[in-house]
Amino acid sequence: QSALTQPPSASGSPGQSVTISCTGTSSDVGGYNYVSWYQQHPGKAPKLMIYEVNKRPSGVPDRFSGSKSGNTASLTVSGIQAEDEADYYCSSYAGSNNFVFGGGTKLTVL
Amino acid sequence: QVQLQESGPGLVKPSETLSLTCTVSGYSISSVYHWGWIRQPPGKGLEWIGSISHSGSGYCNPSLKSRVTTSVDTSKNQFSLKLSSVTAADTAVYYCAAYSTGWFDPWGQGTLVIVSS
Repeated sequence: QSALTQPPSASGSPGQSVTISCTGTSSDVGGYNYVSWYQQHPGKAPKLMIYEVNKRPSGVPDRFSGSKSGNTASLTVSGIQAEDEADYYCSSYAGSNNFVFGGGTKLTVL
Repeated sequence: QVQLQESGPGLVKPSETLSLTCTVSGYSISSVYHWGWIRQPPGKGLEWIGSISHSGSGYCNPSLKSRVTTSVDTSKNQFSLKLSSVTAADTAVYYCAAYSTGWFDPWGQGTLVIVSS
């Protein structure tokens, strides 16, 4: 299985909206509604931000949202704040008890 | 509140076996969750290693399958990872996490394992 494709970087000014894409195949992203997103600050463990494409765990701000169209999933951060600067990883169930991550996107708040 | 903590040697010699344990607190490992291992080479992205059910049924990344063994010890509320025949490419921060279908949450803090002679 190949890693999901994410842009290496994204950026926006405080208050703007930023969308990060995550492209897979019909065997992973397109085949299941089990896309999740993780935020990772330097030196820290990843934190679940979105699961099952568009669900937010308790405590995650509602400015984080997820969606999916075909083989591409997206994470949108609306009204980005300085503390949102981090690496973001998508992931997807890939069938037969397999799981795959994206390469990660570094979000910079300008 | 579920908490996970990785433990194990921080230095492993090439060709030897990497062994890590994840201790779960605040939740019985025998319950509904599955449990997983993920690693992150320095400066690189996340890679799923494998997962194991509370009953001990394991499954792993096809690219690592021949080298990975996972197990559960319900008496200690722990699960473990063994990765054989390691090389420098296996140097990474290793995380354990609780796994529900399609996502990992929560995660342990991670432990750095360096493969070097």
